[in-house]
Formats: sequence, C-alpha cells, structure tokens
Amino acid sequence: DTAVSQTPKYLVTQMGNDKSIKCEQNLGHDTMYWYKQDSKKFLKIMFSYNNKELIINETVPNRFSPKSPDKAHLNLHINSLELGDSAVYFCASSRRGTYNEQFFGPGTRLTVL
Amino acid sequence: GDSVTQMEGPVTLSEEAFLTINCTYTATGYPSLFWYVQYPGEGLQLLLKATKADDKGSNKGFEATYRKETTSFHLEKGSVQVSDSAVYFCALSGSYGQNFVFGPGTRLSVLP
Repeated sequence: DTAVSQTPKYLVTQMGNDKSIKCEQNLGHDTMYWYKQDSKKFLKIMFSYNNKELIINETVPNRFSPKSPDKAHLNLHINSLELGDSAVYFCASSRRGTYNEQFFGPGTRLTVL
Repeated sequence: GDSVTQMEGPVTLSEEAFLTINCTYTATGYPSLFWYVQYPGEGLQLLLKATKADDKGSNKGFEATYRKETTSFHLEKGSVQVSDSAVYFCALSGSYGQNFVFGPGTRLSVLP
C-alpha cells in the first residue's frame, strides 16, 4: 500500500498555464506539507497544513495555493506558471509532534517551457 | 531560527570505504534529529532518527549519535556499497514539532 501518493509524476506545461498537483496519504496523519526541490537538491518548505488549517506559509508567491479538502489530501494549485517554477515538488505527511518523522511522496517533476 | 548545516558534497568513495557525513544544528530546546536518504528519481526516505541526547539511531549499517554538547549528528557507515549512492539529508524537528528543518543535502557516490 502506498503511504503518500502524488499525481502526476511528471508535468510538462507552457508558461502562463494553471496546473494542479494532487497528494493523498493513507497513514492517518494530521499534518501535511508541500516542499519544492531545486536542481541542486535543496529542499524548501512551502506549506504545512494541520487538520485542514494552514500553519506554515513560507514566502512563496501567491500564485501557489494549497487546498485541503480533508486531512488525507493536500493539493497544490499553481497559477500563471513561470520558468522558475520548474522543480520537483514533494508532498509529505506526519503526526504532529517533535518526535515524529515526515513521510514523503515520490515527487512530481514540473517542467515549465 | 533553527538551522542544519551539512558537509558539502559530492562525496566520492570506493566500495567498502568508511563513510562520515557531518551534520551540525542550531536549535532552541530539545529537537529530534533525523537522517533521510533520497535515491535517484525517488522521494526522501527516513534512514534513522534520535529523539534525545546520546541516543544512537541505526539502520542498514548506518549510525548517528545525538551529541548535544557539540550540537552534532554525524552519519557513519563502516563499509559503503555502490547501492548507497544517493543524496543524504540531515534534518531536525523543533521542540514543539512545528518546525521541520532540512540541511542542504550531501550527494554520495560509491564506485565499484
């Protein structure tokens, strides 16, 4: 059984388009995250949701909007895509608390042409 | 704020060599510490963790000890294999679980 899944795995699109990436976890976790990984493998946290409420919103452009219909899902919608948005986007989930590790999805490689 | 520093890569070793990847952190209170591994084309996987000072995390031959006096959590393996080639991330979870911070990652290449 897949713990954290993301769709699609690859996404190729033109500048200016709007796209969404979906994430689902079946671990019963109450906190979910979106990360952006650049070409040098540096990970940057974008958003965190705990029980459907946003608890971290790092300084990302407001073209990025997370949507959490329930605590098992956290989707990422991106408006007006730019070349610099090309990256790998990872979804993760965890139980809230200091001791609890995050579980990651397989990633979505976004390429903006 | 909390932060994690790792040795810069890439690290290139021959098979069966000893591996150390240094990790130091800055945090208030008592964070938990983690090592994650990312194989090519995959997401991050938890490799090991330690939740309090002097704890040793271990998995798949890798070990790391939580050293509060030196604020370090160095990753070691006695004999690396080609299959260990990956990017390794040190990370911490802040005292209140609200702040998960990753280091920049260290790429390891193991040659046969």
